[in-house]
Amino acid sequence: EDQVTQSPEALRLQEGESSSLNCSYTVSGLRGLFWYRQDPGKGPEFLFTLYSAGEEKEKERLKATLTKKESFLHITAPKPEDSATYLCAVQANYGQNFVFGPGTRLSVLP
Amino acid sequence: DAGVTQSPTHLIKTRGQQVTLRCSPKSGHDTVSWYQQALGQGPQFIFQYYEEEERQRGNFPDRFSGHQYPNYSSELNVNALLLGDSALYLCASSFNSYNSPLHFGNGTRLTVT
Repeated sequence: EDQVTQSPEALRLQEGESSSLNCSYTVSGLRGLFWYRQDPGKGPEFLFTLYSAGEEKEKERLKATLTKKESFLHITAPKPEDSATYLCAVQANYGQNFVFGPGTRLSVLP
Repeated sequence: DAGVTQSPTHLIKTRGQQVTLRCSPKSGHDTVSWYQQALGQGPQFIFQYYEEEERQRGNFPDRFSGHQYPNYSSELNVNALLLGDSALYLCASSFNSYNSPLHFGNGTRLTVT
């Protein structure tokens, strides 16, 4: 069974304090790993797709990396507006559905 | 360019009732998926529709059913509501292509009392 876990469950950072979020996955043939950002009361917003181990993607203060068993979302010099829940999801080669992790709730304090 | 739109935004129903949620996909997208998100959890896959047919289904009972129309819009129906059906219901649309990411609406918050 495909599974996704995320750590930590919650993270509080001071503005400018860089850190990383972890996504560990088990899947029978990875088609893609996806990162989303979700603000309270809103739907998830697509950030990145990673396809193979060693791949990296960047967007502003966010950088996502992928290995064969996990993905990291690095946040460099975060700002309060980066506060949100970050969700990781995998899609297997054999299916259409995305399997989501429980998310990491990030708070960036000014 | 309109994104994914869902209606209604909030809904309160009584146990045993039936509910219909609606979704219009992002312009150009032809595939619609539905997810259930409980508070503090990640979204759980309910089913996906493509070419007006259910293409894949998650681990949800038959009380959950859906439909896709020729214009790609979709409905999620839930019969015989249970208290445990209270959740945020998310519609996501995508292209029918390899690795197409899901684009989500802001969901319908369903409360069953």
